[in-house]
Amino acid sequence: GNSVTQMEGPVTLSEEAFLTINCTYTATGYPSLFWYVQYPGEGLQLLLKATKADDKGSNKGFEATYRKETTSFHLEKGSVQVSDSAVYFCALAALTGANSKLTFGKGITLSVRP
Amino acid sequence: EADIYQTPRYLVIGTGKKITLECSQTMGHDKMYWYQQDPGMELHLIHYSYGVNSTEKGDLSSESTVSRIRTEHFPLTLESARPSHTSQYLCASSPLAGEQETQYFGPGTRLLVL
Repeated sequence: GNSVTQMEGPVTLSEEAFLTINCTYTATGYPSLFWYVQYPGEGLQLLLKATKADDKGSNKGFEATYRKETTSFHLEKGSVQVSDSAVYFCALAALTGANSKLTFGKGITLSVRP
Repeated sequence: EADIYQTPRYLVIGTGKKITLECSQTMGHDKMYWYQQDPGMELHLIHYSYGVNSTEKGDLSSESTVSRIRTEHFPLTLESARPSHTSQYLCASSPLAGEQETQYFGPGTRLLVL
């Protein structure tokens, strides 16, 4: 079946540090890949996505590249801010007809210190 | 900006009470979902629907039930709440065509059963 594995957390960084959050997946076919972010007290928001190999998704200074050869979709940001403190979820959607569902990783909590 | 609403945002209730968590979306999406989010932040799909009069159980067994009488409305009901139902419940929706893989989330309902 489909699965998403995220690195263990939590992660604590100082402001302006470089961020990498690892995500690898197992899926049949050619899934679409997503990063969602959940700020404290809120629901999930789509951060970025990529629908095919070598695509790069980017938003708000975050980026992730769909690497089929390593089955990975690592999230990076060059300089984190305190406002980036949140829980980050990697997810995949493997279409089965029109019945696609998202498979989420376990999420990782990022805390950014001033 | 996604238009998906959940009420109440917070609910504290005694054991044995019947509760209904409301979820509405104004985007005309055919597909809707309910997730249970545990304290470790992991998401579990408990119910989903592909349209009016369609409901399916998700990956995690739940004692809750859902209904889909109108496209925009997908309420979740617990007939007799128990402390084990204490959790955060997130509702989401997605279109049936086009961006069908992208889910839009509501802000969540945090339920505490005493």
